[in-house]
Amino acid sequence: EIVMTQSPATLSVSPGERATLSCRASQSVSSNLAWYQQKPGQAPRLLIYGASTRATGIPARFSGSGSGTEFTLTISSLQSEDFAVYYCQQYNNWPPSITFGQGTRLEIK
Amino acid sequence: QVQLVQSGAEVKKPGASVKVSCKASGYTFTSYGISWVRQAPGQGLEWMGWISAYNGNTNYAQKLQGRVTMTTDTSTSTAYMELRSLRSDDTAVYYCARGTGTTFDYWGQGTLVTVSS
Repeated sequence: EIVMTQSPATLSVSPGERATLSCRASQSVSSNLAWYQQKPGQAPRLLIYGASTRATGIPARFSGSGSGTEFTLTISSLQSEDFAVYYCQQYNNWPPSITFGQGTRLEIK
Repeated sequence: QVQLVQSGAEVKKPGASVKVSCKASGYTFTSYGISWVRQAPGQGLEWMGWISAYNGNTNYAQKLQGRVTMTTDTSTSTAYMELRSLRSDDTAVYYCARGTGTTFDYWGQGTLVTVSS
């Protein structure tokens, strides 16, 4: 099983600043990496797939990068609605054997 | 618009089974698969498995093999997830999510399953 490790566990950032979240895979997943945002009491929302492609309706301040085992989600100029938990997810195998990272909580500084 | 509407909360005793439904609308049901993802209280996301709504092929997470069954009813555009031999650590919110087995672009609202004696 591919293990996904996110860092940091909690990130404190002020509104208007940039946030950088990291995700590392225990083995290469090529670009088969997605990012989700989850707010309390809500289902996750797909932000990024293919490591760097924004999903439909996702603002341009969200960007993803990386390949292989190292990935980054960057949120430029944080808005109040961006404070949430973020999960990375790999989907490198077929048939699917999908794993998520443990999440990074983005909180207001 | 695409919607996935799940059945309501359940309370079950250890050893029992639960079956959660997920009714899809707003798209061609057989063009996508459905995955099930669960989230224990205060914890992260755990993928449980995937079913093709086109042909019923399934792929389950190894740790749940033998306890979980996913099915679909194409006549009603509904997916089902049954989990048997429930334990206290199966207490979680269970989500269905639309996808091709890779990423999940639409999610249900979640169904809380509580396992308690």
